[in-house]
Amino acid sequence: DSGVTQTPKHLITATGQRVTLRCSPRSGDLSVYWYQQSLDQGLQFLIQYYNGEERAKGNILERFSAQQFPDLHSELNLSSLELGDSALYFCASSPSGQMNTEAFFGQGTRLTVV
Amino acid sequence: DQQVKQNSPSLSVQEGRISILNCDYTNSMFDYFLWYKKYPAEGPTFLISISSIKDKNEDGRFTVFLNKSAKHLSLHIVPSQPGDSAVYFCAATPLPLGSARQLTFGSGTQLTVLP
Repeated sequence: DSGVTQTPKHLITATGQRVTLRCSPRSGDLSVYWYQQSLDQGLQFLIQYYNGEERAKGNILERFSAQQFPDLHSELNLSSLELGDSALYFCASSPSGQMNTEAFFGQGTRLTVV
Repeated sequence: DQQVKQNSPSLSVQEGRISILNCDYTNSMFDYFLWYKKYPAEGPTFLISISSIKDKNEDGRFTVFLNKSAKHLSLHIVPSQPGDSAVYFCAATPLPLGSARQLTFGSGTQLTVLP
């Protein structure tokens, strides 16, 4: 158990809909990172929050947004969903602002858009 | 454009033998390399890393070799155990280590260790 909790584990929704994925970081970790893993692809960095503030942005679509709340949990909002958004979405957390060997991943949310 | 490539989607090895997982990269700015292991229904977990100032790093049964001139790294697992069966991801980043934006992952290799 990495200590990073992601909910839900599975999500099936229709095109055009909006969903929210949730991540609770390990206790004491200030940074949360979101990654997307599409079929047969590596993990693609989406966005990082550090202590409530956006720290870094990757290949995140405009239809996607995220935030980190005062209790440090984070939510990734995906809207106007398309079939191609079907993927595994991972959250990771680390104590500092660095994505390094101290970062731990959650078990992921598998999103299926039909 | 895939900057980190793992050309073998899968690899099967007999228990007790050596497993060799390969990774190639194209970005000459990459200076630090990491391997992650992922079991089904779990997130990736950090396994071992290597800086470009070294050509080898060893941790128990796991050794990572780096050939900078060939832009190639490999992970050796000796001896392989059934519990090593997982997907292995290679990742790379320029130094200084730390920017999530700059951590580039390969597509992974599914290792199956046969009893």
